[in-house]
Amino acid sequence: ILNVEQSPQSLHVQEGDSTNFTCSFPSSNFYALHWYRWETAKSPEALFVMTLNGDEKKKGRISATLNTKEGYSYLYIKGSQPEDSATYLCAFTVRGQGNLIFGKGTKLSVKP
Amino acid sequence: DVKVTQSSRYLVKRTGEKVFLECVQDMDHENMFWYRQDPGLGLRLIYFSYDVKMKEKGDIPEGYSVSREKKERFSLILESASTNQTSMYLCASSPGAWGQPQHFGDGTRLSIL
Repeated sequence: ILNVEQSPQSLHVQEGDSTNFTCSFPSSNFYALHWYRWETAKSPEALFVMTLNGDEKKKGRISATLNTKEGYSYLYIKGSQPEDSATYLCAFTVRGQGNLIFGKGTKLSVKP
Repeated sequence: DVKVTQSSRYLVKRTGEKVFLECVQDMDHENMFWYRQDPGLGLRLIYFSYDVKMKEKGDIPEGYSVSREKKERFSLILESASTNQTSMYLCASSPGAWGQPQHFGDGTRLSIL
């Protein structure tokens, strides 16, 4: 059974704090790693798709890194804002398959 | 702007009813997916489709079926609804190439009484 683990399960930070969370996945037959942001009452929104070992992607204050050999990815948020409050989902695809396997997410709450 | 539209935001049905959840995408995507999301369990794949009239079972297909008669529409069917199918249902679509990001609908919160 292919499993994606995300940690921590939830996180509470103050506005202005920088934070990061982890996604672990099986490294064999890896094809792509996805990060999504899911705000309450909205639909999940794709943040990044990464495929190559050592990939780094950035979108404003949010960035992500990928290590396919050891099977992990980090998501970083610099200077968290209340609007960053959301559940961050990690998912990966296996070579030869089109569907995503999702982790349970990390719920981030940023207090003003 | 890309759009995945689910027919209902909230739905209440009774045990034993046949329930249809509809999803339409306007992006000409080949792939379409149905997930359910339950507290503490994350997004779980029910069924997906790579093309018209094609379907594949996901992780939890029991009690569900799907229909894809047209490329833009993917329907999820609860043949005889049960209380353990009370959940948030999300539809998504993606282009045909592997590893492409999925675009999600707003979800249908289904309650089975």
